[in-house]
Amino acid sequence: EVQLVESGGGLVQPGGSLRLSCAASGFNFSTYSMIWVRQAPGKGLEWVSYISAGYYTINYADSVKGRFTISRDNAKNSLYLQINSLRAEDTAVYYCARNWRMDVWGKGTTVAVSS
Amino acid sequence: QSALTQPRSVSGSLGQSVTVSCTGTTSDVGGYNDVSWYQQHPGKAPKLLVYDVTKRPSGVPDRFSGSKSGNTASLTISGLQADDDSDYYCCSYAGSYTWVFGGGTKLTVL
Repeated sequence: EVQLVESGGGLVQPGGSLRLSCAASGFNFSTYSMIWVRQAPGKGLEWVSYISAGYYTINYADSVKGRFTISRDNAKNSLYLQINSLRAEDTAVYYCARNWRMDVWGKGTTVAVSS
Repeated sequence: QSALTQPRSVSGSLGQSVTVSCTGTTSDVGGYNDVSWYQQHPGKAPKLLVYDVTKRPSGVPDRFSGSKSGNTASLTISGLQADDDSDYYCCSYAGSYTWVFGGGTKLTVL
């Protein structure tokens, strides 16, 4: 079964950091690009970041550029999102999704930023 | 990276058809044949319904169809069923490995 499972979310103070993980299974992870999408409470979906299959191409939404870092370990079938300098507006469910079509999604991990 | 424009809500009766619009610019919807649609039930992850404007993944019923004209993409759902009552989001490639979503549309099945 094709599956993505996010982890690493939690409650963090403004200015803090978290590292989100996305474990992939059931498909050849190393051949797919990956995307992070987030959804603030009661709000719509927001594209956050993209990484190509071979790590060569990476990009970020303007709202997170300079604070978030996407990476992957193809040997571990894992995708990561390092989020630094957290702000209240980063509070959201963070989803990982497979390839630019976003054809497979995980269930998400919740990040809450509050003092 | 401005969000695409979708109606906040639409409604239709069981068995009827509804269309959800998604308006962007020449920098996103109008510039690429890379528009996707997602269905999201409350508390659940989004599900891909349509990609590349008109294509459906395996397992998605042909009641869901996509189209595009200029800077506006559309999702049409025919033969409305109770389970179609959900939120729908469009998404477009916007160049330079960036994507933009619409604000979402709440479909109410009457």
